[in-house]
Amino acid sequence: ETGVTQTPRHLVMGMTNKKSLKCEQHLGHNAMYWYKQSAKKPLELMFVYNFKEQTENNSVPSRFSPECPNSSHLFLHLHTLQPEDSALYLCASSQVMAGGTYEQYFGPGTRLTVT
Amino acid sequence: DAKTTQPPSMDCAEGRAANLPCNHSTISGNEYVYWYRQIHSQGPQYIIHGLKNNETNEMASLIITEDRKSSTLILPHATLRDTAVYYCIVRGNNNDMRFGAGTRLTVKP
Repeated sequence: ETGVTQTPRHLVMGMTNKKSLKCEQHLGHNAMYWYKQSAKKPLELMFVYNFKEQTENNSVPSRFSPECPNSSHLFLHLHTLQPEDSALYLCASSQVMAGGTYEQYFGPGTRLTVT
Repeated sequence: DAKTTQPPSMDCAEGRAANLPCNHSTISGNEYVYWYRQIHSQGPQYIIHGLKNNETNEMASLIITEDRKSSTLILPHATLRDTAVYYCIVRGNNNDMRFGAGTRLTVKP
């Protein structure tokens, strides 16, 4: 248990569906992240939020829409996905301070299958 | 961030020390070496990090060479539950962490 929870743990959705992934951190951190891990590929950073503000978007298609209502919650809204978007989606959090950024703690991930 | 090079796979006998190498020859003076591991289909788990000095915690030891161009993660008494992919990451004072392919460690009975 890392203090970062993700729901749902598994999700199957059709290409025309709209769904949302939820992440919650109980660590008092001020930065949150979404990563994507496709089969047999390294983790890819998707989005970074510092103090609820998006600071990085690594050329992610607009069918992925993040939302960070507060420093403890992070959502990833999904719509009109493609089968190649099937992957493990991981959320992480960390503490960011003036002197640097500390280690990231990851949730268990949501295994997404797009049919 | 500096790039790292790790062997794709390693085996280790249960109860023996597992020594996982990482090369980071282009590391900058303000960049840290971080190690994470990922057990199959779970989220990565932070293990340890260091800047110049060797570090030890309850999970592992990190040995960084004097020129900082390489490091070794040591699991002193590997167990079957240590079977995972181990990632060596070099990063500066930012929150952008780039994962490579890592080393797949298999601990065998």
